[in-house]
Amino acid sequence: QSVLTQPPSVSGAPGQRVTISCTGRSSNIGAGFAVHWYQQLPGSAPKLLISGNSNRPSGVPDRFSGSKSGTSASLAITGLQAEDEADYYCQSYDSSLSGVVFGGGTKLTVL
Amino acid sequence: QVQLQESGPGLVKPSETLSLTCAVSGYSISSAYYWGWIRQPPGKGLEWIGSMYHSGATYNNPSLKSRVTISEDTSKNQISLKLSSVTAADTAVYYCAKGTTQGPFDYWGQGALVTVSS
Repeated sequence: QSVLTQPPSVSGAPGQRVTISCTGRSSNIGAGFAVHWYQQLPGSAPKLLISGNSNRPSGVPDRFSGSKSGTSASLAITGLQAEDEADYYCQSYDSSLSGVVFGGGTKLTVL
Repeated sequence: QVQLQESGPGLVKPSETLSLTCAVSGYSISSAYYWGWIRQPPGKGLEWIGSMYHSGATYNNPSLKSRVTISEDTSKNQISLKLSSVTAADTAVYYCAKGTTQGPFDYWGQGALVTVSS
């Protein structure tokens, strides 16, 4: 059971907008620790998608955006494309565990 | 461009010690940043194992208790992972990654699959 909670799956048609939630608690997201998002394509290593709640590394399309409020964070993907089909993970830091924590991952299916 | 490459035995017997090495190129591990290990059991999510600061200080996932040892070889620009007393539950793809204390991990290796089986 992951410290950060994500929905197991989400889906959307090409061109649509989808969001993936990441729910934490007062010792991680709620304590002000940043949330980062990773995209993992099938058979590949995770790739940093969003850092520091809402910052896109160079090369990441602006279709991807992140936000954070209270004890939760969200990843939004607009203009959904077939190539976005992947697993998405959120990550933060937990002060009570004194370590890095990940969400359980969300599988995005493009219909 | 920073590149990371994991290597080590793909099969380890139960109760033995898993040993992996991560060769880093394009950046000196003794300069700055944290270097971490993350694993992913087949079909499951990511689990942080531990991280090492460029000074050599380490911190590990409490759930793995004292089974984890992370070390560095600055002469070879490598970091290493040792996980003792392994069981089938330790079967996973093991990744090394460059990051900071609290994340994010911005560069990842391609991963090394380690199977624990007799």
